[in-house]
Amino acid sequence: DAGVIQSPRHEVTEMGQEVTLRCKPISGHDYLFWYRQTMMRGLELLIYFNNNVPIDDSGMPEDRFSAKMPNASFSTLKIQPSEPRDSAVYFCASSLLQGGLFSYNEQFFGPGTRLTVL
Amino acid sequence: SQQGEEDPQALSIQEGENATMNCSYKTSINNLQWYRQNSGRGLVHLILIRSNEREKHSGRLRVTLDTSKKSSSLLITASRAADTASYFCATDEEDSGNTPLVFGKGTRLSVIA
Repeated sequence: DAGVIQSPRHEVTEMGQEVTLRCKPISGHDYLFWYRQTMMRGLELLIYFNNNVPIDDSGMPEDRFSAKMPNASFSTLKIQPSEPRDSAVYFCASSLLQGGLFSYNEQFFGPGTRLTVL
Repeated sequence: SQQGEEDPQALSIQEGENATMNCSYKTSINNLQWYRQNSGRGLVHLILIRSNEREKHSGRLRVTLDTSKKSSSLLITASRAADTASYFCATDEEDSGNTPLVFGKGTRLSVIA
């Protein structure tokens, strides 16, 4: 398996522009997570999906952020309009809840998208 | 909310020495996991230890868990320059409903050749 795939790897945009980040999870995984990482705040969970359904989006900082998962193999994180404080590395991760136990197993992270908003 | 707190925030050692990182957490857990992040990369899972386990080994890694003290430690033996990375602990909270893993802020390890 190719692992979690994210695109683009780098994005530089100007304030006010729309940004769309993309993620392809590992085939067969039923959980997908979007994180943001900055030096100041560390790794923050933004939103996560189970079987394509958003479960908790309380980490999404503002209404400018939205995420979708139209099918099991694709998710997007959109920022509209973007602001300089959105500059960060955005990670997508996927995992599989196994065995019926309500216990979270390891998460597989993508390489991240480094976003710079000027 | 942040569950795991790693200690120290940064650690610098010579190649061949052992590196020990600690993680403290606040609530009861199902399991605790350690991840490594190389510069410019995503996090990579290293090891998972369940709440009913006290110690686990994987190659040069040794993880201990003390649920009474709500703490865990990650020991890397005979460190190598390639071990230079940030290390994060993540906890799966018991009775958390749908809350997934909660990551700490990490320990930055530098191994000097």
